[in-house]
Amino acid sequence: RKEVEQDPGPFNVPEGATVAFNCTYSNSASQSFFWYRQDCRKEPKLLMSVYSSGNEDGRFTAQLNRASQYISLLIRDSKLSDSATYLCVVNMGTGNQFYFGTGTSLTVIP
Amino acid sequence: EPEVTQTPSHQVTQMGQEVILRCVPISNHLYFYWYRQILGQKVEFLVSFYNNEISEKSEIFDDQFSVERPDGSNFTLKIRSTKLEDSAMYFCASRTDIANQPQHFGDGTRLSIL
Repeated sequence: RKEVEQDPGPFNVPEGATVAFNCTYSNSASQSFFWYRQDCRKEPKLLMSVYSSGNEDGRFTAQLNRASQYISLLIRDSKLSDSATYLCVVNMGTGNQFYFGTGTSLTVIP
Repeated sequence: EPEVTQTPSHQVTQMGQEVILRCVPISNHLYFYWYRQILGQKVEFLVSFYNNEISEKSEIFDDQFSVERPDGSNFTLKIRSTKLEDSAMYFCASRTDIANQPQHFGDGTRLSIL
């Protein structure tokens, strides 16, 4: 089983739509969780950390479900500029290693 | 905002040659990382470095690879005897030693092995 799994998509949504991505992780001892976005041939950029109680940053909402071992990202009112690959990143808590999902591709269509 | 910087942005090298990829982490960060991303594939962990030594490494990080912090600012990845399959984007990242803090990435070095 992979440490971190994501649906690769692609997700193609119209502008203004709401879209949600999930990511599952294998190690119940995982301690920290993040969503990054990656544009084509660019570096991953931190979108938001994911906190136990859930957190929101503008149009973006992240949730953590420890019981089911998944994290989610909700994007409301999608913009064309949201088109990117969204990476789920998990620190397993056993050390200093961070595990990346394969990424979920989002294209927002005019 | 402070950032991680990497040089060069693009490196073209003949197979069998050695390359050194350079990174300057954010100045107050204490954990340093190298990742690799082959075109169209996922970001893969190579190695983490803390307190002047490797703290973890992946199966990819074999004897062909080494890392060094030669001075107080640079963090380097050396690849000896490069192979065609080493062609990829190489990202450096750093973070503080505060628990649960994210990594910050440099904009990468594109390595092309001919």
